[in-house]
Amino acid sequence: SAVISQKPSRDICQRGTSLTIQCQVDSQVTMMFWYRQQPGQSLTLIATANQGSEATYESGFVIDKFPISRPNLTFSTLTVSNMSPEDSSIYLCSATGGAYGYTFGSGTRLTVV
Amino acid sequence: GENVEQHPSTLSVQEGDSAVIKCTYSDSASNYFPWYKQELGKRPQLIIDIRSNVGEKKDQRIAVTLNKTAKHFSLHITETQPEDSAVYFCAASIPGNTGKLIFGQGTTLQVKP
Repeated sequence: SAVISQKPSRDICQRGTSLTIQCQVDSQVTMMFWYRQQPGQSLTLIATANQGSEATYESGFVIDKFPISRPNLTFSTLTVSNMSPEDSSIYLCSATGGAYGYTFGSGTRLTVV
Repeated sequence: GENVEQHPSTLSVQEGDSAVIKCTYSDSASNYFPWYKQELGKRPQLIIDIRSNVGEKKDQRIAVTLNKTAKHFSLHITETQPEDSAVYFCAASIPGNTGKLIFGQGTTLQVKP
């Protein structure tokens, strides 16, 4: 399965600012996704990162708040915009080669103060 | 849309005993059901998965069973060890070849030495 590097691993940010999280996969994958895991909670899908086109967002998530890029088959970024304390979570990217063998990145622990 | 319910939310067993975690899903078209283990502060790791054309799958001390008629699947851990202590998440694929997963709420398993 793919190996995923994600950075930063953690950050403390001021409210109203933005943070961009990077996800790099060591091999070409067909699908990449971004998840949010709020403290003590399960994983919630934010969006599917589509290569060369706009991401597909799940209900409750919008592009203005969580812009996503995927310029090629191995790299994606998620930006958390205009942050508030409610955005404090772990953000995880994941990837699959198409057989549902999901691998997760190590996560970005975001604290908004 | 697809919904996944997971029970119990917490489970405490003695070392050497068995542990069973159950999940139900709502969309009969789901065809892929993975289980993830997440240790504190770490990424979710895929431990076993099953597809809808299979009723049971085993990997050493871990097994998963699937009942398509009842739309539920279970994780069985035998001869539990303290290192099995973690949060376990079940998931189900969202139909339509999207590659997307919806996760259960998680079960915190504590194995007492």
